[in-house]
Amino acid sequence: SQTIHQWPATLVQPVGSPLSLECTVEGTSNPNLYWYRQAAGRGLQLLFYSVGIGQISSEVPQNLSASRPQDRQFILSSKKLLLSDSGFYLCLTGSGMNTEAFFGQGTRLTVV
Amino acid sequence: GQNIDQPTEMTATEGAIVQINCTYQTSGFNGLFWYQQHAGEAPTFLSYNVLDGLEEKGRFSSFLSRSKGYSYLLLKELQMKDSASYLCAVRSSWGKLQFGAGTQVVVTP
Repeated sequence: SQTIHQWPATLVQPVGSPLSLECTVEGTSNPNLYWYRQAAGRGLQLLFYSVGIGQISSEVPQNLSASRPQDRQFILSSKKLLLSDSGFYLCLTGSGMNTEAFFGQGTRLTVV
Repeated sequence: GQNIDQPTEMTATEGAIVQINCTYQTSGFNGLFWYQQHAGEAPTFLSYNVLDGLEEKGRFSSFLSRSKGYSYLLLKELQMKDSASYLCAVRSSWGKLQFGAGTQVVVTP
């Protein structure tokens, strides 16, 4: 069965500091991978998605970037965090046939 | 692009049935997903539809009509623990998966 690892669960970072969030998947191959952000009390905003290794689609112009260095690894990064980057960051991965899609536990980021 | 609409909030009584509607517009449809999200937690997968018709999983069922751009999630025999936000998501043929704003379901005793 599929397992998604997303860490850390919570993170407090100062404005201007870098960010690296990692999501890894076990139990499936060539999954679709997604990064979302959810502000408090709001819906899920699609940030990036990838349908294959090295392929990234960016949805919202901002100071974040994503990379997929391996088939089952998806990384969200920033060189300099802004206060507005605070939120709940969620990684989503589809199954091998993409008939199911599961979230990681999420990372609650607070930029101070 | 994709446009996904669902009601903001619904209230129902314990033991009753609630139907959450979702309408969508997308260029290139490749599946519709439903998720449940409790406050402070990540969403959990409930169902997937890609062909027209009804998919049943225990107390939860999901329906899809591709020609109408319409889906619903049916929750039967409501329990207090079903109080949560329910998210409709549509995947395009090139893999983009976009979510609606979510429907907050409040179950009352």
